[in-house]
Amino acid sequence: KAGVTQTPRYLIKTRGQQVTLSCSPISGHRSVSWYQQTPGQGLQFLFEYFSETQRNKGNFPGRFSGRQFSNSRSEMNVSTLELGDSALYLCASSLGSQGRNEQFFGPGTRLTVL
Amino acid sequence: AQKVTQAQTEISVVEKEDVTLDCVYETRDTTYYLFWYKQPPSGELVFLIRRNSFDEQNEISGRYSWNFQKSTSSFNFTITASQVVDSAVYFCALSDHSGAGSYQLTFGKGTKLSVIP
Repeated sequence: KAGVTQTPRYLIKTRGQQVTLSCSPISGHRSVSWYQQTPGQGLQFLFEYFSETQRNKGNFPGRFSGRQFSNSRSEMNVSTLELGDSALYLCASSLGSQGRNEQFFGPGTRLTVL
Repeated sequence: AQKVTQAQTEISVVEKEDVTLDCVYETRDTTYYLFWYKQPPSGELVFLIRRNSFDEQNEISGRYSWNFQKSTSSFNFTITASQVVDSAVYFCALSDHSGAGSYQLTFGKGTKLSVIP
C-alpha cells in the first residue's frame, strides 16, 4: 500500500505570495489532517477534512485554508505569506477521526518564505 | 496552560541503556486518547501507540513499554536496551474535545533522544 504523499517537497516563496500544498492520503483513508511544524511552536494542528468536509480547525488565521476532493486528496492554501509561515507542513491520513485513530504521516513540504 | 508537557527537551544515552521519556497531560474530559509518535531524522512521523482513558493497562511491545497513570496524568514511554536506531524526536499527544465538539489532537513539544554507540 502506498503511503501518504505530499507535493512539492520543498518550496520557496516571498512575502505576500500565496501557496498551495497537496496531499494524497493512503487509499481508503477518508480523513486528512494538516499540521504545521516549527522549531519554536512545535507541531500544531491546522485542520482536518473528512469526506470533503472540514471537521475540525486549529487556531490559525483565515489565511490558512484547505479543501478535500471526492477522492480524499487534499490541498491546503496559505495566502499573503508571512515570514513566520516558514515551516514544515505535514499531512496525515487516517481511517477515521484524527483524534481517535492512528495517523499515517507524509514526508512533509518544507516551505521557506523570504 | 500547556496540555501536553514533555519536560525533557533532549536526552542522550549510551547504547544499551534504558531510557524513559516523560509525558504529563492536562484535560477536563473523562474520555480522551493519548498517543506517542516517533520522528526519525528522515522527518516522517511514525505512530507508536494509542491509549484511551479507560484503558490503564501498561503496554509492552518488544523493547518499548508504556506506563499510563491517570492518577498522575502521565503517560511515560520506556525504551529498554536502547539502540542507535532509536535516535529520534518522540512526541506525546493528547486528543480530547477541548470544547470543540470533536476530538482534536494536541502534541507536546517533543523529546529529542540521541543514542550514542
